[in-house]
Amino acid sequence: AQSVAQPEDQVNVAEGNPLTVKCTYSVSGNPYLFWYVQYPNRGLQFLLKYITGDNLVKGSYGFEAEFNKSQTSFHLKKPSALVSDSALYFCAVRVLYNQGGKLIFGQGTELSVKP
Amino acid sequence: EAGVVQSPRYKIIEKKQPVAFWCNPISGHNTLYWYRQNLGQGPELLIRYENEEAVDDSQLPKDRFSAERLKGVDSTLKIQPAELGDSAVYLCASSPNVHSSTGELFFGEGSRLTVL
Repeated sequence: AQSVAQPEDQVNVAEGNPLTVKCTYSVSGNPYLFWYVQYPNRGLQFLLKYITGDNLVKGSYGFEAEFNKSQTSFHLKKPSALVSDSALYFCAVRVLYNQGGKLIFGQGTELSVKP
Repeated sequence: EAGVVQSPRYKIIEKKQPVAFWCNPISGHNTLYWYRQNLGQGPELLIRYENEEAVDDSQLPKDRFSAERLKGVDSTLKIQPAELGDSAVYLCASSPNVHSSTGELFFGEGSRLTVL
């Protein structure tokens, strides 16, 4: 079965420090991987995706993610965290079937950035 | 361009009452999804439409949940009767045709349901 796992329920970082939010995946075939962010009482906002090509993907708000095929990981990173980055982050994998596809999401990781 | 629009944003009802949620996807998006997000969890797919056809409703509790997308544009998700365990955020998302898309979904703000 295709799935993603986010091993950390919560990540705490001091403002200005680098942050990493971890994600591992299990898929058959080549993965399409995504990161979304959710602020309180809001929907999910797309951050970035990996389809093919360069293993380092850059996205919105200064975030980037590194695809590692041998470790089946797709960790989200940012060189310098901001307090406003505090939110819930979801990793997802695309599954193609029945004329189209869907995203399967991880459980989410709550990022807390303290001043 | 307008995003995915959902209403209502919040709904509080007593158990056994009916409730309905409405979603208008981004113009031109053929695919529409309803996801449910329980507190502290990731979204889980309830139903996927390709135009007006429900191509995956395997996770929709059909004894009490129903959905429709009659003209292949907006959609309604209904629960009747609601149970305490239905309290969650119901998220609608849309995407272009799979052949012209790299897979990201565009989400609405969600409808938060509280069943008392």
